[in-house]
Amino acid sequence: DAGVTQSPTHLIKTRGQHVTLRCSPISGHKSVSWYQQVLGQGPQFIFQYYEKEERGRGNFPDRFSARQFPNYSSELNVNALLLGDSALYLCASSLVGRANEQFFGPGTRLTVL
Amino acid sequence: GDSVTQMEGPVTLSEEAFLTINCTYTATGYPSLFWYVQYPGEGLQLLLKATKADDKGSNKGFEATYRKETTSFHLEKGSVQVSDSAVYFCALTSQGAGNKLTFGGGTRVLVKP
Repeated sequence: DAGVTQSPTHLIKTRGQHVTLRCSPISGHKSVSWYQQVLGQGPQFIFQYYEKEERGRGNFPDRFSARQFPNYSSELNVNALLLGDSALYLCASSLVGRANEQFFGPGTRLTVL
Repeated sequence: GDSVTQMEGPVTLSEEAFLTINCTYTATGYPSLFWYVQYPGEGLQLLLKATKADDKGSNKGFEATYRKETTSFHLEKGSVQVSDSAVYFCALTSQGAGNKLTFGGGTRVLVKP
């Protein structure tokens, strides 16, 4: 079975631009979470979605937004990019209510110049 | 709020040496505890978990015991291999926090032949 997939793999943007990252969960998983991992640090929780609704939000500015589609895939959007947004963005999927069994994708490496 | 503290690396070992990575946590209630591993250029893989006090998680020769009295979840392996070279993250989810994983800063392990 396919694992969590994310696209694109790498992305280079300039300050002030907007970016959209995509995630497809494991088949049957309805919950998707997003994390930001700055180089040399542990991942930080951004959002959790299931049933197309936001179920949790980390300490990130409103420039960060996300949504979930009827097929349970998800998009993470970041507006007005800053240099500090450069990071690996990770998506994790799980069955609803199974926080103890989350599976991560390979991530999207975003570089902001 | 929830937090995880783990020993800073890098930890450099010779093959077949004993590995310990310390992890302590602060959380409300009874969190579930995890160790994730990140190989170069890849996303996170769940290594092991423990969901209640005194539980021992184990996988691929790695072990960690949930110690509530010391709020610790130290990772150990008796004989490391070069292929164990990676970054290891201790993490937790707490009750009422949904799927939110709180991670430590990571510990880089380098095993030399």
